[in-house]
Amino acid sequence: QLQLQESGPGLVKPSETLSLTCTVSGDSISNSSFYWDWIRQSPGKRLEWIGSFDYSGSTYYNPSLKSRLAISVDTSKNQLSLKLSSVTAADTAVYYCARHVPEYAGTRDGWFDPWGQGTLVTVSS
Amino acid sequence: QSVLTQPPSASGTPGQRVTISCFGSSSNIGSKTVNWYQHLPGAAPRLLIYSNDQRPSGVPDRFSGSKSGTSASLAISGLQSEDEADYYCAAWDGSLNGFYVFGTGTKVTVL
Repeated sequence: QLQLQESGPGLVKPSETLSLTCTVSGDSISNSSFYWDWIRQSPGKRLEWIGSFDYSGSTYYNPSLKSRLAISVDTSKNQLSLKLSSVTAADTAVYYCARHVPEYAGTRDGWFDPWGQGTLVTVSS
Repeated sequence: QSVLTQPPSASGTPGQRVTISCFGSSSNIGSKTVNWYQHLPGAAPRLLIYSNDQRPSGVPDRFSGSKSGTSASLAISGLQSEDEADYYCAAWDGSLNGFYVFGTGTKVTVL
């Protein structure tokens, strides 16, 4: 059974870099049939797509976060990572990783299934 | 950045039918398929409907989805207490370089 588990610091200071890891079990993160994504939910409960990593090594980022964002994969550890720089209070959220199932092979649309439990990150001094 | 619009709340008594709407635009719902997610407190969001009207295995047939033009709907028939949750629609948006967009969310309360 595929499981995803997010981990990382729960508190980050303003202007610093937020770093999170998602450990995937039950499937290979190199599986060419899927992408691997980060999504966050703000305290107001709004969900926001952060970005995506695919098996070819390509990344796709939310335009509103692109300049501060880096998503990568460590295939030896079957882990997805997220780095978001220059954080502010607006980046306080629960961060989720999820498997992205494309509608058709090679397309960027599709759906997220399953999701990890999420990890709360608070940006505060 | 565009977002899909949902009513903030919906409610019904056990056994009733509840419908949640989701309004988008030509760059997302109008040209891409819609997915729905259920989010129970303290749990991971769960895929409820994909490709407009398809249910993953394990999702009861009380849940159904539909799409017309730039809007979509999720219907819950035979409402049960365990259906009390937040529901989000979502779709790929083909504008800019493409990005995934979520709805504003609807809190369903079972009275």
